[in-house]
Amino acid sequence: SQQGEEDPQALSIQEGENATMNCSYKTSINNLQWYRQNSGRGLVHLILIRSNEREKHSGRLRVTLDTSKKSSSLLITASRAADTASYFCATDNTGTASKLTFGTGTRLQVTL
Amino acid sequence: DVKVTQSSRYLVKRTGEKVFLECVQDMDHENMFWYRQDPGLGLRLIYFSYDVKMKEKGDIPEGYSVSREKKERFSLILESASTNQTSMYLCASSWTGSDTQYFGPGTRLTVL
Repeated sequence: SQQGEEDPQALSIQEGENATMNCSYKTSINNLQWYRQNSGRGLVHLILIRSNEREKHSGRLRVTLDTSKKSSSLLITASRAADTASYFCATDNTGTASKLTFGTGTRLQVTL
Repeated sequence: DVKVTQSSRYLVKRTGEKVFLECVQDMDHENMFWYRQDPGLGLRLIYFSYDVKMKEKGDIPEGYSVSREKKERFSLILESASTNQTSMYLCASSWTGSDTQYFGPGTRLTVL
């Protein structure tokens, strides 16, 4: 079953603007990850945040996690056309064997 | 760099055919996964494997089987392809104890 739900489903912004995507989940987690998928390709891991962390940064990416609200957000600052992709959150809520549950994704379009 | 390869990028088969999708990883990962991805549904786990000759059902195993005879190779088998199995198939792998998954480029399967 799909645990993660991303919001919005689609987002269109201009280059240089910030993009924020949200993810909600239903059960307790050990960690939450964000992945990117370029059109018609495989997913690429972006960042992982553990359940005891509230915020994490990696380059232009900032991820927050609120376990009390069972939600996370991904912020991409100073977006570029190359950031155009679909973004998925994934949760590890089983605690065993790295099995992940993915959300349905946010499609980000960055225009020049 | 971790590399996960899939045998075909595009595949067209006829209803009733037996279809083999191959996935190979070169990083000695214990865990391997098969997902299908459909618009609006995100990624859904079909089968996964923690070790050679070991397999476990995911969320949607019906109509599929898998084989893992060697650590680096994980095959997805459609015993009798049907049109509702037209989809993008993604393979992934990971180390035991790590939640980060590495994905192949995907196989877009069309069943006519």
